[in-house]
Amino acid sequence: DIQVTQSPSSLSASIGDRVTITCQASHDISDFLNWYQQKPGQAPKLLIFDASNLQPGVPSRFSGSGSGTHFTFTIGSLQPEDVATYYCQHYHNLLPDTFGQGTRLHIE
Amino acid sequence: EVQLVQSGAEVRKPGESLRISCKASGYSFATYWIGWVRQMPGKGLEWMGIIYPGDSNVRYSPSFQGQVTISADKSSNTAYLQWSSLKASDTAMYYCARRYSGTYGAWGQGTLVTVSS
Repeated sequence: DIQVTQSPSSLSASIGDRVTITCQASHDISDFLNWYQQKPGQAPKLLIFDASNLQPGVPSRFSGSGSGTHFTFTIGSLQPEDVATYYCQHYHNLLPDTFGQGTRLHIE
Repeated sequence: EVQLVQSGAEVRKPGESLRISCKASGYSFATYWIGWVRQMPGKGLEWMGIIYPGDSNVRYSPSFQGQVTISADKSSNTAYLQWSSLKASDTAMYYCARRYSGTYGAWGQGTLVTVSS
């Protein structure tokens, strides 16, 4: 199975900062990668699909890029409501799907 | 509106059996895969397995194969996750989620399972 390695595991930033999270795949996965946000006590929420496509209704400060084995998730200007844990997720038509280890984002 | 409503929190003893549910509405239940995701206390998301209700095709993560059973009932638009003999290490929040083109865009609210003697 393909492994996805997400980093960092934890991140602290200030309001207004640009924040970047990465996911590295063990093999070429094209653009089969999604990003989710999970706030404390809530179910995960899809933010970015197919590496770089913004889910409808998601603020434009969130973006994704990459293909192949290296992917990046960016918050352009950090807001207080962005405190959450963020996960990448690789999918494959033959399954199984795989989540990254998660990045816990704090406000400084 | 797509909705997934999960059954309520459960407390069981080690060795007991359990089945939790995920009732879907607002779409054609039989034509979308539904997956199950585990989140142990303070930990990340783990993909457990998935079912296609249309033909009950089930795929499991190797980590969960043989540990749980995933099923679905088209007549009631409900997916299930069950254990035959719970362990303390099964204590976790369990989410169901609808899969579409590789994404999980709709999630249940989660079911907390506590296994303790």
